[in-house]
Amino acid sequence: AQSVSQHNHHVILSEAASLELGCNYSYGGTVNLFWYVQYPGQHLQLLLKYFSGDPLVKGIKGFEAEFIKSKFSFNLRKPSVQWSDTAEYFCAVYGGATNKLIFGTGTLLAVQP
Amino acid sequence: GAGVSQTPSNKVTEKGKYVELRCDPISGHTALYWYRQSLGQGPEFLIYFQGTGAADDSGLPNDRFFAVRPEGSVSTLKIQRTERGDSAVYLCASSQAGDYNEQFFGPGTRLTVL
Repeated sequence: AQSVSQHNHHVILSEAASLELGCNYSYGGTVNLFWYVQYPGQHLQLLLKYFSGDPLVKGIKGFEAEFIKSKFSFNLRKPSVQWSDTAEYFCAVYGGATNKLIFGTGTLLAVQP
Repeated sequence: GAGVSQTPSNKVTEKGKYVELRCDPISGHTALYWYRQSLGQGPEFLIYFQGTGAADDSGLPNDRFFAVRPEGSVSTLKIQRTERGDSAVYLCASSQAGDYNEQFFGPGTRLTVL
């Protein structure tokens, strides 16, 4: 069965620090990968996605993620975080003959001003 | 607005009662999904509709859970004989026809079973 692991459950950073959130998935076939973000009091929204092509994908608000097939990883990065990036971040994967999105457990990011 | 809407936003019920949760997808989206998010967890897939039919209901935890989408638009998730363990946020999402399209999520319904 497919699964998604997010190893960082809670991250605290100061503004301007660099961010990297880990995401690993378990599925050997073709996958489509997503990062969703949930700001306080708001619903889940798409940050970025990878379907094919360039493994380095850029999303909204300066976020990017790199798909490394050999490591089954899709880590999220941002060179300089802002207080407004405080949110919960979810990695998710589509894989195989299914329309299910499989989510990780989420990483709660708190950025201190 | 043009987004996915869900009603009610909060529902408090007693153990053993029946509840219905409603989802209005984005107009024109033929695919509709229900997820459940428990505290400290990511959303967990429940069921997926393509049009009026349930294309995949493998995530429904047991036969107390049922969902319908009779006209291919609005969907209702129905939970019979609620249990305290059913307490969670129930999320609805919709996407355009076809596989692997971006899913747009609603704000969720927070269900509390006392």
